[in-house]
Amino acid sequence: GENVEQHPSTLSVQEGDSAVIKCTYSDSASNYFPWYKQELGKGPQLIIDIRSNVGEKKDQRIAVTLNKTAKHFSLHITETQPEDSAVYFCAASIMGYQKVTFGTGTKLQVIP
Amino acid sequence: DTEVTQTPKHLVMGMTNKKSLKCEQHMGHRAMYWYKQKAKKPPELMFVYSYEKLSINESVPSRFSPECPNSSLLNLHLHALQPEDSALYLCASSQTSGTYNEQFFGPGTRLTVL
Repeated sequence: GENVEQHPSTLSVQEGDSAVIKCTYSDSASNYFPWYKQELGKGPQLIIDIRSNVGEKKDQRIAVTLNKTAKHFSLHITETQPEDSAVYFCAASIMGYQKVTFGTGTKLQVIP
Repeated sequence: DTEVTQTPKHLVMGMTNKKSLKCEQHMGHRAMYWYKQKAKKPPELMFVYSYEKLSINESVPSRFSPECPNSSLLNLHLHALQPEDSALYLCASSQTSGTYNEQFFGPGTRLTVL
C-alpha cells in the first residue's frame, strides 16, 4: 500500500519568514495530494491540494509543488503569521479511491 | 453549508457503558468516514460508507459499530471499550468515487474511556 513520509516533524520560524514542509510517497498510482492544517482542539481542515497533472499551485501565501518523477511534494508558506501555527499533514490518494494516506505531521510554530 | 458537525464534543465513558457518536453533513456528499486520532499522530481510517453502504472496514474491533441511517447522518456505536480506545474521533465526508477525494472533517469527539 501507499506510504507517505513527512519532514520535518517540528518546525519553528520567526514571523514573516517562510516555512517549507516536504513529503515523499511510494505509490506511483497516487494522483491527488491534499494538505491539511489541524489547529489545537479542531479537526483537520483542507488548505490546498494538487493533482498529478499540475506541477505547482498557489493560493495567496500558500503554494504546493509536485515532482512526480521523484515522488516528492512540498508545502511552502510565505510571510508566516502566528495564526499559521498548527500541525500540518500531507496526504496522498488515488482518484476514485476513498482511502487517503496521511503523512506523520509537522508541528509548525511561528514565533512573533 | 460546507460544515461537518459532530456531537458530543467530549465524552467520558466506563468500560461497560454503551454510547454513540453522531456526525452530520448537508453538502450532498455520499461518502462518509470515521477516523481515530491519537495525540501527535495522523488520523487513522476506521470505516468508510459510500451511498449508505459500508465499503471499507479497516479491521476495526467489533466494539465499534458504525451505522449510516441516511445520506446525511453517520453514527458510531461504542460498547465495552478499553482505555486504549481513548482518542479524538473524527468524522469526514466527500464526494464519492470517480472524483478526487477532497475530504471535509468535523471538529471531532474527544473520547475518554475510564
